[in-house]
Amino acid sequence: NAGVTQTPKFQVLKTGQSMTLQCAQDMNHNSMYWYRQDPGMGLRLIYYSASEGTTDKGEVPNGYNVSRLNKREFSLRLESAAPSQTSVYFCASSVDGVADTQYFGPGTRLTVL
Amino acid sequence: QKEVEQDPGPLSVPEGAIVSLNCTYSNSAFQYFMWYRQYSRKGPELLMYTYSSGNKEDGRFTAQVDKSSKYISLFIRDSQPSDSATYLCAMIPSGGSYIPTFGRGTSLIVHP
Repeated sequence: NAGVTQTPKFQVLKTGQSMTLQCAQDMNHNSMYWYRQDPGMGLRLIYYSASEGTTDKGEVPNGYNVSRLNKREFSLRLESAAPSQTSVYFCASSVDGVADTQYFGPGTRLTVL
Repeated sequence: QKEVEQDPGPLSVPEGAIVSLNCTYSNSAFQYFMWYRQYSRKGPELLMYTYSSGNKEDGRFTAQVDKSSKYISLFIRDSQPSDSATYLCAMIPSGGSYIPTFGRGTSLIVHP
């Protein structure tokens, strides 16, 4: 039981490049989330998916797109990376309607030059 | 003003001290209160969960919620160097989507 896995762990991009961050969970959770964490800013929600086939914007969605490929996988895409997107990105999953079940992945450290 | 306020610290204490970490909030609809612990270069992990007001104890950790003051606390007794981490509070309103709102996190350093 791996929980929430994320790939890659580290990535360096040049401004304007694109990339996709991958996330998978094996806990049969319906809800999945993408957050970014910046120094002094805490965790900010980018997008979330309450179930397969649905996605909704969070607090900071600009510059990102997401795909809920199936129940297990939720990917985050940067179409044209900008230095302001340098951050640590966390994927999380949870059981619907249960507050204390949000599990996080290990994170992806992204630097945009 | 953010919905959830948390002093970023760092808070530095000697081993064995009692630690008090706190958050204040403005949304009276918050009903579910969590504390997450995040070690350096790791993802957050759920440490404590409390529904509505009151106290909850788990080993050396006690979570306290005072809804009348819109104030929550996490107490750590007999603190250990292994408790050195960032502690994030999180809250969820009743009804709605069960998406938590996080505080910015408090960095705790317990030195031997």
